[in-house]
Amino acid sequence: KAGVTQTPRYLIKTRGQQVTLSCSPISGHRSVSWYQQTPGQGLQFLFEYFSETQRNKGNFPGRFSGRQFSNSRSEMNVSTLELGDSALYLCASSAGQGASYGYTFGSGTRLTVV
Amino acid sequence: GESVGLHLPTLSVQEGDNSIINCAYSNSASDYFIWYKQESGKGPQFIIDIRSNMDKRQGQRVTVLLNKTVKHLSLQIAATQPGDSAVYFCAERDRGSTLGRLYFGRGTQLTVWP
Repeated sequence: KAGVTQTPRYLIKTRGQQVTLSCSPISGHRSVSWYQQTPGQGLQFLFEYFSETQRNKGNFPGRFSGRQFSNSRSEMNVSTLELGDSALYLCASSAGQGASYGYTFGSGTRLTVV
Repeated sequence: GESVGLHLPTLSVQEGDNSIINCAYSNSASDYFIWYKQESGKGPQFIIDIRSNMDKRQGQRVTVLLNKTVKHLSLQIAATQPGDSAVYFCAERDRGSTLGRLYFGRGTQLTVWP
């Protein structure tokens, strides 16, 4: 079956712009989590969605937001981009709510802010 | 909190040797641990997991050991192959936290020499 699909794979934006990233989970998976990966900070949790509701949020400013649709697809948005937002953004899906179900990650969206 | 760390940032082994990647954690409330492998340009790939009520779990060529007394987790890879070259992350879940959030270590770069 198809894995987690993230689009686009690569993105270049300028400071001050906003960006929307998309994640399609594995069919049947209802939980989607987002992580930011940078060389300096490693993998940092952004938020988790389950049944269209945000269940948990990491320590990121309000410029980072997300949502989940009824088909479990999720989007995250970053407004007023800063250079420090350059990172690999990873989406992970899970069959249920909670890490015990196991997470499957997508290949990520590489965001570069210039 | 983000308490997972790694003892060694890099590990070089010869093909055919066994590899051991270590991970230390400080949160005694963590009840579930996962090892991920990340190859260049890809998202983290699940390798093996273990719950806190276990000390050891084996998969294909991999074994995870959990020592709760000293809060230490290790991943053993038998007969390491060039295809095992990647960054390896350990991740933990806090049983007291909202389900679904994982805390990742900084990663260990494994290089396998022919």
